[in-house]
Amino acid sequence: NAGVTQTPKFQVLKTGQSMTLQCAQDMNHEYMSWYRQDPGMGLRLIHYSVGAGITDQGEVPNGYNVSRSTTEDFPLRLLSAAPSQTSVYFCASSDTRDYQETQYFGPGTRLLVL
Amino acid sequence: GENVEQHPSTLSVQEGDSAVIKCTYSDSASNYFPWYKQELGKRPQLIIDIRSNVGEKKDQRIAVTLNKTAKHFSLHITETQPEDSAVYFCAASEGKTSYDKVIFGPGTSLSVIP
Repeated sequence: NAGVTQTPKFQVLKTGQSMTLQCAQDMNHEYMSWYRQDPGMGLRLIHYSVGAGITDQGEVPNGYNVSRSTTEDFPLRLLSAAPSQTSVYFCASSDTRDYQETQYFGPGTRLLVL
Repeated sequence: GENVEQHPSTLSVQEGDSAVIKCTYSDSASNYFPWYKQELGKRPQLIIDIRSNVGEKKDQRIAVTLNKTAKHFSLHITETQPEDSAVYFCAASEGKTSYDKVIFGPGTSLSVIP
């Protein structure tokens, strides 16, 4: 199993550009989430999904869109990049199996918006 | 929505001593409380969790306690080792299932002094 993969690892954007951060998991997990982590701070939930075709907003959804057309993939789209979106973005995949929660984070995407 | 507070923000202990990190949450409907460890430059890792119907859970040197009435939960690390040095995050899930909507606390930077 590759676990949770994220691409790209690092990206530089100019203000106003759009891009998609990719996230994929091969564990057949139902739940997937996107978080952003600013320097020296905790993780803030952007969007999450409890299954294919279902998404919902987290704490800081503005400026981001998501879709979940398959169980495996959960891309995050930045509509019009702003310097305030400079951050490290983590995707997480989670599920409950035999009453035991499992959760894995991807390696992260470092985004710099100039 | 859910709000998670965490104390202290930084903690230094001597190797072999115990470390305690405390968190409070605001939403009485929250039912799942995971803890994460994040080493510098790496992704968060789930280290232990507790459900709302359980008061305490142990896993080797780490334990978590939950007081639903007071809406607070704590992480206890015994016999600390230098490799325990990291940032620790508590979180609370306010969704219908464990991973519907996981909100993180701001983190505690733990340093274990050899």
